[in-house]
Amino acid sequence: KAGVTQTPRYLIKTRGQQVTLSCSPISGHRSVSWYQQTPGQGLQFLFEYFSETQRNKGNFPGRFSGRQFSNSRSEMNVSTLELGDSALYLCASSLAGGSGGNTIYFGEGSWLTVV
Amino acid sequence: EDQVTQSPEALRLQEGESSSLNCSYTVSGLRGLFWYRQDPGKGPEFLFTLYSAGEEKEKERLKATLTKKESFLHITAPKPEDSATYLCAVQAGNAGNMLTFGGGTRLMVKP
Repeated sequence: KAGVTQTPRYLIKTRGQQVTLSCSPISGHRSVSWYQQTPGQGLQFLFEYFSETQRNKGNFPGRFSGRQFSNSRSEMNVSTLELGDSALYLCASSLAGGSGGNTIYFGEGSWLTVV
Repeated sequence: EDQVTQSPEALRLQEGESSSLNCSYTVSGLRGLFWYRQDPGKGPEFLFTLYSAGEEKEKERLKATLTKKESFLHITAPKPEDSATYLCAVQAGNAGNMLTFGGGTRLMVKP
C-alpha cells in the first residue's frame, strides 16, 4: 500500500516568487493536512482539507493557501515568498473526518529553500 | 489554547540503558495523543495513538503510556538504531485532524 506522496522533494525559489507543492494521500484517505517544520518553530499546522473543503486553518498569513481535489489529492501554494518560508513542508493524510480513532500518516515532505 | 511540552530536549543513552521521554499537555477535550519518530531529513513515522488515561501500547522496545496530564514513551534496552527525534502531538475534541506538536526529544544511543 503506497504511503503519502509529496512532490517535489526539494526545490529552491527566489524571494517574491510563488511555489506550489503537491500531496497524494494514502488511497481511500479523504483528510489531508499540511504542516510547516522549521528548526526554530517545530511543526506548525497550516490547514486541513476534508472532502474538498477547508475545515481548519492555522495562524499563517494569507500568502499560504491550499486546495483539495475530488480525488483527495491536495496542493498548497505560497505566494510572494520570503526568506522565512524556507522549511520542510509536510503533508499528512487520514482516513476520515477527525472523529477519533484515525491514524494520521505523514509524507516525506518537500524541502523549500528561499534565496 | 492547546499546548504540548516535551522533555528533555535531548537525551544521550548508552546502548542498553533504559529511559523515558515525557510529554505534558493541556488540551480542550483530548481526542488522541500521538507519538511519532522522525529521522533527519524524513517525515514523521507513526508509532502510537493513545485515547484515554490508563491506556498503554507497546512496539518492540517502545512502550507508551497516558495519564490525564502527560504521556511517557519508555525505551527499554535501546539500540543505536533507536536514535531519532521523538515527537508527541495532541488532537483536540473539535479540531478535526489538526495536531498540536511538542518540540520533540532528540535521542542519541551510543554503542
